[in-house]
Amino acid sequence: EPEVTQTPSHQVTQMGQEVILRCVPISNHLYFYWYRQILGQKVEFLVSFYNNEISEKSEIFDDQFSVERPDGSNFTLKIRSTKLEDSAMYFCASTKPGQRNEKLFFGSGTQLSVL
Amino acid sequence: GESVGLHLPTLSVQEGDNSIINCAYSNSASDYFIWYKQESGKGPQFIIDIRSNMDKRQGQRVTVLLNKTVKHLSLQIAATQPGDSAVYFCASMDTGRRALTFGSGTRLQVQP
Repeated sequence: EPEVTQTPSHQVTQMGQEVILRCVPISNHLYFYWYRQILGQKVEFLVSFYNNEISEKSEIFDDQFSVERPDGSNFTLKIRSTKLEDSAMYFCASTKPGQRNEKLFFGSGTQLSVL
Repeated sequence: GESVGLHLPTLSVQEGDNSIINCAYSNSASDYFIWYKQESGKGPQFIIDIRSNMDKRQGQRVTVLLNKTVKHLSLQIAATQPGDSAVYFCASMDTGRRALTFGSGTRLQVQP
């Protein structure tokens, strides 16, 4: 069964450093998402991406965050200057054509630790 | 704003029993609902979804019930197995088709 792939599984960085989290969505999916989950808390929406542009973003997704689909397969989340409070599990997700915001398929996540 | 919450943080059941996980939502404009299962160290895994024009939908060993009158959603798992032990999240989307909003999760513990 096709799945969303995320790398790395764990990322440790120093406060103020830039990080890039990488995702390979399911190949025939058209909508892409980043969510995050702080330890023990609910899954929170960050951003959705369609047709090479952001279609929706949350208040969390400020100027320090950016997303990119540099080629036909990868979808990245960049945090320019990490803060301690950015420590969380970051999930990438994708959905099929015609299922925008429905039945998201999630990857296994990247655990980001900011020290 | 949209608020989706769960009644119980932890539910413990015996193997073979049926489990019922409840979820309340606050936005009457919500018209799509979904349940996810999250095992430790993994991403949320789709279980079942339902639209607001339905009040019940069944899958394999799972049933979702939607009561729009009281803005309540439940997930029923039949013959609960140890592999069902996980955190279960409900999520919803409103008619504006904005991103899914997740609830805070219920941990299901299945006792052998």
